Amino acid sequence: GIQVEQSPPDLILQEGANSTLRCNFSDSVNNLQWFHQNPWGQLINLFYIPSGTKQNGRLSATTVATERYSLLYISSSQTTDSGVYFCAVGAGGATNKLIFGTGTLLAVQP
Amino acid sequence: DSGVTQTPKHLITATGQRVTLRCSPRSGDLSVYWYQQSLDQGLQFLIQYYNGEERAKGNILERFSAQQFPDLHSELNLSSLELGDSALYFCASSGRQPNTYGYTFGSGTRLTVV
Repeated sequence: GIQVEQSPPDLILQEGANSTLRCNFSDSVNNLQWFHQNPWGQLINLFYIPSGTKQNGRLSATTVATERYSLLYISSSQTTDSGVYFCAVGAGGATNKLIFGTGTLLAVQP
Repeated sequence: DSGVTQTPKHLITATGQRVTLRCSPRSGDLSVYWYQQSLDQGLQFLIQYYNGEERAKGNILERFSAQQFPDLHSELNLSSLELGDSALYFCASSGRQPNTYGYTFGSGTRLTVV
């Protein structure tokens, strides 16, 4: 099955700093999503981005499907950005289930 | 509110017991997926239903079962519970094709087995 690797595993930032999170996947995908899991455990859908670039406020994401990676950019980080960021991919077919990476734990300090 | 509703939010039960987790998908979505998130296994796919029929199985134990009803809500039944079943259980839904929003997850049910 598809392997999903995320880096870095942990990241500590000062408020206001920028960061880039990376997601590598081992095979072609037709679905890629970035999620933020907040300290209360909720999984918030940030981007549906199987290819191309999207932006939403201070967050943006780019997926280069041909090279099998995606990047999540966080600019001017805030303490509320803390939590775990997951990349999840789907390969299509009959199930189209999402396969999750192991996540990046982000801590933004005031 | 994501549109996917899961109940209950928290559940504490004893080993050996049986519980039922419930999920109502986003309006119009036909597929329901169940995931388990434990500390040592990350987010693992359990099972998928599409319009009432089982579509795919993942790492789901034989003690666990699920179904999707005609109104498209789904239930995940966990029986003979063990301490290791303590986890966050998520339900997600999607339409016939992933739309511009992809898959939407509910807020999860936190199960604690004591």
